[in-house]
Amino acid sequence: EDKVVQSPLSLVVHEGDTVTLNCSYEVTNFRSLLWYKQEKKAPTFLFMLTSSGIEKKSGRLSSILDKKELFSILNITATQTGDSAVYLCAVDRGSTLGRLYFGRGTQLTVWP
Amino acid sequence: EAQVTQNPRYLITVTGKKLTVTCSQNMNHEYMSWYRQDPGLGLRQIYYSMNVEVTDKGDVPEGYKVSRKEKRNFPLILESPSPNQTSLYFCASSSLLGRQTPNEQFFGPGTRLTVL
Repeated sequence: EDKVVQSPLSLVVHEGDTVTLNCSYEVTNFRSLLWYKQEKKAPTFLFMLTSSGIEKKSGRLSSILDKKELFSILNITATQTGDSAVYLCAVDRGSTLGRLYFGRGTQLTVWP
Repeated sequence: EAQVTQNPRYLITVTGKKLTVTCSQNMNHEYMSWYRQDPGLGLRQIYYSMNVEVTDKGDVPEGYKVSRKEKRNFPLILESPSPNQTSLYFCASSSLLGRQTPNEQFFGPGTRLTVL
């Protein structure tokens, strides 16, 4: 059975802290891994990762994929209250193209 | 403006009364997908479509139907809604990377459905 497990489920930090969110997966026919941020509305795209070891960066956020150990991490440096959200990881996998499996998300709360 | 629209945004209905939630995108995306989101369960894929006339089941397709007759539209049909289909529904679309895997997905605003 395919699995996408995110950890921690919930995290509370103070502004300025650095956080690392984890997404591990056990799936058949892995094709890509995507990160999304969800505030009180629809998810918004952060990163798409297909190759191991290549870091993707956008401002204070960065992400990397390890296809050997089957996980990805999302780093957020110098956190701000606006980073408070649920961070979702999704994996495209399976014998049919386009079938996405989401993890349950990590709830990040940043206190001022 | 590039967007995915869903209608209605909120719907309260009764068990067994057929309903359709519409989804439309204006970005000429090949890939479209429906998800439901329930507390503690995250986003679960219901159905998806890689292109016109091509649809496939996701992880929770029971009780739902879809069609993809035009590239821009991907309606979700509940033939006989039941209370366990009460949920927040999202439609999403994306281009395909190398015609193989969904790229960045753009999500609609969501439809909150309550079935009594």
